[in-house]
Amino acid sequence: NAGVTQTPKFQVLKTGQSMTLQCAQDMNHNSMYWYRQDPGMGLRLIYYSASEGTTDKGEVPDGYNVSRLKKQNFLLGLESAAPSQTSVYFCASSYSRDTGTEAFFGQGTRLTVV
Amino acid sequence: KNQVEQSPQSLIILEGKNCTLQCNYTVSPFSNLRWYKQDTGRGPVSLTIMTFSENTKSNGRYTATLDADTKQSSLHITASQLSDSASYICVVSEWGAGKSTFGDGTTLTVKP
Repeated sequence: NAGVTQTPKFQVLKTGQSMTLQCAQDMNHNSMYWYRQDPGMGLRLIYYSASEGTTDKGEVPDGYNVSRLKKQNFLLGLESAAPSQTSVYFCASSYSRDTGTEAFFGQGTRLTVV
Repeated sequence: KNQVEQSPQSLIILEGKNCTLQCNYTVSPFSNLRWYKQDTGRGPVSLTIMTFSENTKSNGRYTATLDADTKQSSLHITASQLSDSASYICVVSEWGAGKSTFGDGTTLTVKP
C-alpha cells in the first residue's frame, strides 16, 4: 500500500526553467493538496483540489499551476522557476476537505533553483 | 486572521523523560485539531485528530489534550525514545470551509 507517492524526490533547476512535480495516491481520496515548506516555517498551501477536475488557489499560488485530470493524480507545475521557489514540496490527500479529515502526506520533493 | 502558535520552538530532553508541547490557536469556527509528527526529510504523519467534544486522545505514548474554551492543546510524550526526535506540527481546521492552519512546529531532540 503505497499511500501518496511524489516524483521526483530531488530536483535542481536553473532560473527560468519549467518542470512538473507529480503526485499519485492510491487511497481513493477525493481531496488533494500541494504545500511548500521553508526552513523554520509551517507548511503553506499552494493549491488544492476538492475533487477530480477542480482546483483552487491556496495561500501562495503565484508562479505555480496545477492539474487534476484523474482522481489519483495531482500535478504541480512551475512555469518559470525562480530562486524563491527553492523549497521542499509536499503533496497530500484526504477523503474530504470540508470535514478536515486526516491528510496523508507524501515524502516530499526537495527543489533547488539556482 | 487565523493563527496557530506552538511552543516551545525547540526542546531537548533526555531519553526516558516526559515532555509537553503546546499549541494555541485563534481559528474560528473550530472543526478539529490534529497533531503530526515529521521526521527529518520525511512527510508529516498523523498522530491524533481531536474534535470539539474530545478533551483527551491517546496514541501509544502520545497523549493530546484539547481545551476548546481557551483554544489550547497540548501533546504529552511519555517515556521519550530516541525515535521521538522530530518536528511536531499542530494543525487546526476551520469548520465549513475546511481550511487548515499549520503551526510552525516544535523541534524535539531526544538525547541518550
